[in-house]
Amino acid sequence: GAVVSQHPSRVICKSGTSVKIECRSLDFQATTMFWYRQFPKQSLMLMATSNEGSKATYEQGVEKDKFLINHASLTLSTLTVTSAHPEDSSFYICSAKPTNTEAFFGQGTRLTVV
Amino acid sequence: RKEVEQDPGPFNVPEGATVAFNCTYSNSASQSFFWYRQDCRKEPKLLMSVYSSGNEDGRFTAQLNRASQYISLLIRDSKLSDSATYLCVVLRLTGGGNKLTFGTGTQLKVEL
Repeated sequence: GAVVSQHPSRVICKSGTSVKIECRSLDFQATTMFWYRQFPKQSLMLMATSNEGSKATYEQGVEKDKFLINHASLTLSTLTVTSAHPEDSSFYICSAKPTNTEAFFGQGTRLTVV
Repeated sequence: RKEVEQDPGPFNVPEGATVAFNCTYSNSASQSFFWYRQDCRKEPKLLMSVYSSGNEDGRFTAQLNRASQYISLLIRDSKLSDSATYLCVVLRLTGGGNKLTFGTGTQLKVEL
């Protein structure tokens, strides 16, 4: 299957700082990318959908100014958690979807804000 | 009502058992359906797509009933390695593009 690379896999940061997470599709062009957050023992919750040629669509309750998503190219999307707080500590997973196929997932980033 | 609903389990079954998971979705405009598997602290991985005609992959069989907006996954001859969380996933086209929605997942524990 297709390969999606997410980096970093784990990050610890101080409260108030910003963290950038990268998601790359390595062998295909991603027309759609998704960013999810997963708290312990819960399912993935969609944060935003990024589509080629348009701005990201954020889900209800997700702060656009706090979670900056940039679909810079067909192979790269970034999520920046700005002014991180301990409650932002979570597992963040990106997903990329070539046209007319299933979605492929990055390895995930475990963010811990101290 | 959640867009995708699953019984969270856990389902504890002995090795060799047959187990079935169900999933319902609320939006009739949903287009594509998938079962993903997620191991603890790992990313989800596609198990199989689900087609209206039903499809089988080894010990796994998936069914879709569009009229009832219902999806199922059947696992035969369960192995210890099947222990994981199984996620029902629905894709639909929205004004903003494609939207992939996950169910909360059903946890399966296969025991000796």
